[in-house]
Amino acid sequence: NAGVMQNPRHLVRRRGQEARLRCSPMKGHSHVYWYRQLPEEGLKFMVYLQKENIIDESGMPKERFSAEFPKEGPSILRIQQVVRGDSAAYFCASSPRNWEGEAFFGQGTRLTVV
Amino acid sequence: QQQVKQSPQSLIVQKGGISIINCAYENTAFDYFPWYQQFPGKGPALLIAIRPDVSEKKEGRFTISFNKSAKQFSLHIMDSQPGDSATYFCAASSKETSGSRLTFGEGTQLTVNP
Repeated sequence: NAGVMQNPRHLVRRRGQEARLRCSPMKGHSHVYWYRQLPEEGLKFMVYLQKENIIDESGMPKERFSAEFPKEGPSILRIQQVVRGDSAAYFCASSPRNWEGEAFFGQGTRLTVV
Repeated sequence: QQQVKQSPQSLIVQKGGISIINCAYENTAFDYFPWYQQFPGKGPALLIAIRPDVSEKKEGRFTISFNKSAKQFSLHIMDSQPGDSATYFCAASSKETSGSRLTFGEGTQLTVNP
């Protein structure tokens, strides 16, 4: 049973470009969470999705950021017109359909904006 | 209401010693308290977790102590080893909020000297 898969592991974008981060949850998991970790800081919740639905996006910046979890394929976190302050590690976590509290994290995507 | 405060920020312990990391929370609706371990360049990995119906949980060298009235919980690592050197995050979640959405502490960087 493969774990949570994130790609790419490292992503470099110039200011103004778009960044697309992908997350495939663990097999059988239908809940996906995205977190952002700035250097030397803890993880901050961004968005919670189930298949084809955004359940909670209270942690998402109001502009330039969007997320989706389509019926088929991975969850995508999209950042438009990236700025230097978007440089961070972005982690995806998944949990089973029946909530047990436990969330499993991927290895993260480290975004660097130059 | 959603904050989880963690201390210390960094901790240095000798091999064989006890490492103690503390967390305090404000939201009384929190009902699940996990600890995550993160190595550089990796995603957080669940170490141990507790629910408020018990005051202590032990798994091998790792123990969580929970004080519901004080709204505090702590991680004790007995017989600390150099391989335990990592960043540790406490977290909390509530069934009242979104699924397994986690609120994280700021992290403790643990160094165990040989």
